[in-house]
Amino acid sequence: GENVEQHPSTLSVQEGDSAVIKCTYSDSASNYFPWYKQELGKRPQLIIDIRSNVGEKKDQRIAVTLNKTAKHFSLHITETQPEDSAVYFCAASPGGGADGLTFGKGTHLIIQP
Amino acid sequence: NAGVMQNPRHLVRRRGQEARLRCSPMKGHSHVYWYRQLPEEGLKFMVYLQKENIIDESGMPKERFSAEFPKEGPSILRIQQVVRGDSAAYFCASSPRQGTEAFFGQGTRLTVV
Repeated sequence: GENVEQHPSTLSVQEGDSAVIKCTYSDSASNYFPWYKQELGKRPQLIIDIRSNVGEKKDQRIAVTLNKTAKHFSLHITETQPEDSAVYFCAASPGGGADGLTFGKGTHLIIQP
Repeated sequence: NAGVMQNPRHLVRRRGQEARLRCSPMKGHSHVYWYRQLPEEGLKFMVYLQKENIIDESGMPKERFSAEFPKEGPSILRIQQVVRGDSAAYFCASSPRQGTEAFFGQGTRLTVV
């Protein structure tokens, strides 16, 4: 089955700086890679996703890159703000959508004022 | 359009009792997914259902756990004879069709005492 590794487990950055979270996956059949943000005690919320037919996708301060050959994808957050503090999860799926998502263990992002 | 609704939000059960977790998908969504999240862990896929059908139950424990999504009413995740290790947050997600993004509910936090 699929195995998703996520690094780092904790990331502390100064407000205004950039944050990068990296994930690797093992199953070359995976073709859908969403990123979820989860605040303490709340639901995971989809913030951006990418499919295997593109290498990069951007939405305002958030971008995701995908390297299919190396089987890794990354989340980039620029100009970080206090409200960006949360746990971020990457995931991979061979079904092109939510069926059978395999999640990484999460990155606790802390934005220092 | 209300989001994915889960109830109860918190559930306490004694060892050996049964736990029933309910999930009402977003309006127009016929695909439901259940995930389990242990403390400090990512979400683990359990089961994928469409109306009256189980599509993929590869993540479901072989014993004590069952899920259904009847023609009418919410999807139910049922855990019989609960044990302490079943304590976790159980999240339901829904999507309008296969291969599309999923939206998560607020989760049910099950505590077994």
